[in-house]
Amino acid sequence: GEDVEQSLFLSVREGDSSVINCTYTDSSSTYLYWYKQEPGAGLQLLTYIFSNMDMKQDQRLTVLLNKKDKHLSLRIADTQTGDSAIYFCAESRGTYKYIFGTGTRLKVLA
Amino acid sequence: NAGVTQTPKFQVLKTGQSMTLQCAQDMNHNSMYWYRQDPGMGLRLIYYSASEGTTDKGEVPNGYNVSRLNKREFSLRLESAAPSQTSVYFCASNHDENQPQHFGDGTRLSIL
Repeated sequence: GEDVEQSLFLSVREGDSSVINCTYTDSSSTYLYWYKQEPGAGLQLLTYIFSNMDMKQDQRLTVLLNKKDKHLSLRIADTQTGDSAIYFCAESRGTYKYIFGTGTRLKVLA
Repeated sequence: NAGVTQTPKFQVLKTGQSMTLQCAQDMNHNSMYWYRQDPGMGLRLIYYSASEGTTDKGEVPNGYNVSRLNKREFSLRLESAAPSQTSVYFCASNHDENQPQHFGDGTRLSIL
């Protein structure tokens, strides 16, 4: 995962917005993904964005892509305690090999 | 609505023992993957199968073998387990390389 970087921890208060950031290095990435992992479970796909898009919104989730800076972010509006989990960004480069970040642990305080 | 099913969920092995981890998907996906997840390192690809009848090495294939038994099933074998293989193993599948991968719930493997 050394090609995709994420901060390790984020703590927010319930009802606030959360912004989880990710930087990647390969400009040939085709798709970028956000996954959520709850304790003891696998990775659940949250959303994804094609590399020719700048933004995608899906209910409480907003994904922003800055291709120039190779920066991807996931904004969660009105964060709830059920959003506490580890969030992974991942990129695919048109091959079968995804590159995953190390994950950001989001803690939501009641 | 099973998706990707992995068995077993937990396993403890002694060094040198062998074991096969099973994975099956019911989404008619062409491609299947095996990852390991270690603390602070994200997910690393062990092997993948782009389509039935093919397998290829990922980032960390040493010490593992795989079999794509049919379109649904993709197994991972540890021939002689080592403590360094203690990890959580995830199986995933998708239609092709540009589609999102769907993950199983993982196998937690400890090697003593």
